[in-house]
Amino acid sequence: QIQLVQSGPELKKPGETVKISCKASGYTFTDYSMHWVKQAPGKGLKWMGWINTETGEPTYADDFKGRFAFSLETSASTASLQINNLKNEDTATYFCARNDYGTMDSWGQGTSVTVSS
Amino acid sequence: DIQMTQSPASLSASVGETVTITCRASENIYSYLAWYQQKQGKSPQFLVYNVKTLAEGVPSRFSGSGSDTQFSLKINSLQPEDFGSYYCQQHYGTPPTFGGGTKLEIK
Repeated sequence: QIQLVQSGPELKKPGETVKISCKASGYTFTDYSMHWVKQAPGKGLKWMGWINTETGEPTYADDFKGRFAFSLETSASTASLQINNLKNEDTATYFCARNDYGTMDSWGQGTSVTVSS
Repeated sequence: DIQMTQSPASLSASVGETVTITCRASENIYSYLAWYQQKQGKSPQFLVYNVKTLAEGVPSRFSGSGSDTQFSLKINSLQPEDFGSYYCQQHYGTPPTFGGGTKLEIK
């Protein structure tokens, strides 16, 4: 069965860097792009962007250009999200989700990132 | 960006009732509308795509309808496991955008 397993919760200080991983199994990794979605505490879902798992080309939503970077380790069927220069407003749960014609048909369990001094 | 507006923001209903959640797009998205369910502390689950096609394993008490800019998700005979938050998402344009969510609570 399709599974996306994300790395564990993170507690970071402002200005630090965090890298979240999302390991896929149960399908051919390079056949489906991967979305990243942010959910701030008590808030809704916000699309951050996606990465083409065949070419490695990332696409970022406007609000996530600059400090955010998507990457792949194709041999390990793993997508990653790195956030640099963390700010308090980056405190959220981050989800990876498999893309299927623009929908998100399978989701990781989420990774909580807390930014606090 | 295409704006998605959901209503109501919250809804209280009893087991066995039928409820409807609506979603409006700021422009024509044809039939490129998906729905997700999210339970507290869990990841969203894929429910419906292309307005009315149920994702694998989704019970038939869920149904989607609509076209162009107006859409709805209907849940017949609510079950205890149906309570949580629901989000619509347009998958016509980039960026894909979500509605603000509807929290369905037990009355």
